[in-house]
Amino acid sequence: EDKVVQSPLSLVVHEGDTVTLNCSYEVTNFRSLLWYKQEKKAPTFLFMLTSSGIEKKSGRLSSILDKKELFSILNITATQTGDSAIYLCAETATGNQFYFGTGTSLTVIP
Amino acid sequence: GAGVSQSPSNKVTEKGKDVELRCDPISGHTALYWYRQSLGQGLEFLIYFQGNSAPDKSGLPSDRFSAERTGGSVSTLTIQRTQQEDSAVYLCASSVAKNIQYFGAGTRLSVL
Repeated sequence: EDKVVQSPLSLVVHEGDTVTLNCSYEVTNFRSLLWYKQEKKAPTFLFMLTSSGIEKKSGRLSSILDKKELFSILNITATQTGDSAIYLCAETATGNQFYFGTGTSLTVIP
Repeated sequence: GAGVSQSPSNKVTEKGKDVELRCDPISGHTALYWYRQSLGQGLEFLIYFQGNSAPDKSGLPSDRFSAERTGGSVSTLTIQRTQQEDSAVYLCASSVAKNIQYFGAGTRLSVL
């Protein structure tokens, strides 16, 4: 069965720090990897990655995929308290399902 | 509406009662997913609807769980004879085919 593992499970940093969140996956027939931010209930979409080595960037957030080593990282630079959330990684294959990891809980302290 | 709408936002019920959770997807989105998120856990896939195709029910945890999607739009997730372990946040998401999913705010179900 396909599996997505995220690390660390939780992280506490100070405002201004840079963080790196990890997502590794085991998959057959990989199609894409997605990152979501979940602040209260509804996860909101951040990035979708399909190709290795191409960085996607949005403001202080960036992400990259390594299809050879089967992992992705999400970087957040100059963290702010508003970045506090659970960050979810999900992988899709050629079937119907999106396989989600358990998430990384990030807390940014002022 | 502009986004995925779920109702109710919170539901408290007694063990053994049936509950219905509603999801109104983004207009034009052909795919609809239901997930369950227990405290401190990731999203557990429950069921997937795509257009008029037969739904993928492979994630439903027991025969007490069922879902319908009427007219290719609104979906209802029904849990019969609720148990305390059914307590969780139930999230609905919609997408165009199997592309990026857009989530609703979820229904927090508490079974006493």
